[in-house]
Amino acid sequence: AQRVTQPEKLLSVFKGAPVELKCNYSYSGSPELFWYVQYSRQRLQLLLRHISRESIKGFTADLNKGETSFHLKKPFAQEEDSAMYYCALKKTDKLIFGTGTRLQVFP
Amino acid sequence: DTGVSQDPRHKITKRGQNVTFRCDPISEHNRLYWYRQTLGQGPEFLTYFQNEAQLEKSRLLSDRFSAERPKGSFSTLEIQRTEQGDSAMYLCASSPNGNNQPQHFGDGTRLSIL
Repeated sequence: AQRVTQPEKLLSVFKGAPVELKCNYSYSGSPELFWYVQYSRQRLQLLLRHISRESIKGFTADLNKGETSFHLKKPFAQEEDSAMYYCALKKTDKLIFGTGTRLQVFP
Repeated sequence: DTGVSQDPRHKITKRGQNVTFRCDPISEHNRLYWYRQTLGQGPEFLTYFQNEAQLEKSRLLSDRFSAERPKGSFSTLEIQRTEQGDSAMYLCASSPNGNNQPQHFGDGTRLSIL
């Protein structure tokens, strides 16, 4: 079955520290993966997608098919990065989300 | 364009009542999706439309749930005979046609069943 796993419910770091939010998936086909972010009192919004291979707000994510992972990374966390992060897998036209990781960045 | 709009933002009702939510997608988007999110979970897919056609429904969508998109623009999600377990955030998203198009989400409607 298709599934997205985010093993950490909460990740706490200090400002300036590196961040890695883990995402593993199971999918038999060629995966299309996304990271969505939800800041406090805001709607869920797209952060980045693997097909674009871009860096948004300093975040990057590389698809590793061998490890079936799509971890989100940022070398130096900022306080404004504090938010809920969801990894999502696209199956046909719908998204399958992980349970999310809350990132807290302390000053 | 203000993005995907959902109404109401919050609905409180007694168990057994019917409720209806509305979603207005981004104007040029052909595809419209409904998701449900409960505490501590990510959004779970319920159903989606391409224009006015409902193309897929999740097994989560019991026969008490019905969704429509009559003119291919806004959509409604109705829950009949609400139960305590229906309490959740109901999210709507839209996207243009075509591959590799991201979904854009609304603020959601939070349903609370007393």
